Amino acid sequence: AQKVTQAQTEISVVEKEDVTLDCVYETRDTTYYLFWYKQPPSGELVFLIRRNSFDEQNEISGRYSWNFQKSTSSFNFTITASQVVDSAVYFCALSEVNFGNEKLTFGTGTRLTIIP
Amino acid sequence: EADIYQTPRYLVIGTGKKITLECSQTMGHDKMYWYQQDPGMELHLIHYSYGVNSTEKGDLSSESTVSRIRTEHFPLTLESARPSHTSQYLCASSLPLGLAGGTLFFGPGTRLTVL
Repeated sequence: AQKVTQAQTEISVVEKEDVTLDCVYETRDTTYYLFWYKQPPSGELVFLIRRNSFDEQNEISGRYSWNFQKSTSSFNFTITASQVVDSAVYFCALSEVNFGNEKLTFGTGTRLTIIP
Repeated sequence: EADIYQTPRYLVIGTGKKITLECSQTMGHDKMYWYQQDPGMELHLIHYSYGVNSTEKGDLSSESTVSRIRTEHFPLTLESARPSHTSQYLCASSLPLGLAGGTLFFGPGTRLTVL
């Protein structure tokens, strides 16, 4: 069975600091997808990124970057020069490729607070 | 930007009432989902559908029921609400994994309080 672990329950950093959110996953499949979602105080889940298991290239989008390492089954998320608007709960998720029956498994989330 | 809508956004009702939470999407997605979440906590899949007339129970047992008569509409019903049903309910839809990698797009959620 697939599993996603976000060991950091809560993180607080001062504005402009860099912060990394950890995500470790377990799966028996060789083909799968990994995701990050952001949930601001308004409650809506916002899609941030999708990565498939064959693409280990790191990705950068503005202040956000993602480090995917299959060797350690990790898909970590770094925010550079954090801002107050980054305060949210962040969820990592995993989807195995079982065509017709795919479901997303979420981690328990990391609450990030940016202190002004 | 995803076009998935949920109504009502907030609902406060008394115990024993029947309620229906609405979810609609205009993206033509076949797959739709309902998640239950206490604020800022873990998401639990309670129902999903892979197309019209298809509904399945999720990982978390729920007393709610769903229907999928039209592709765009996936309502969730509680026949008799109880305080233990107080939670946030999030609806989502997705393309198949072969397209857009199974990315779920979420609605804004319904915050339900049962007194």
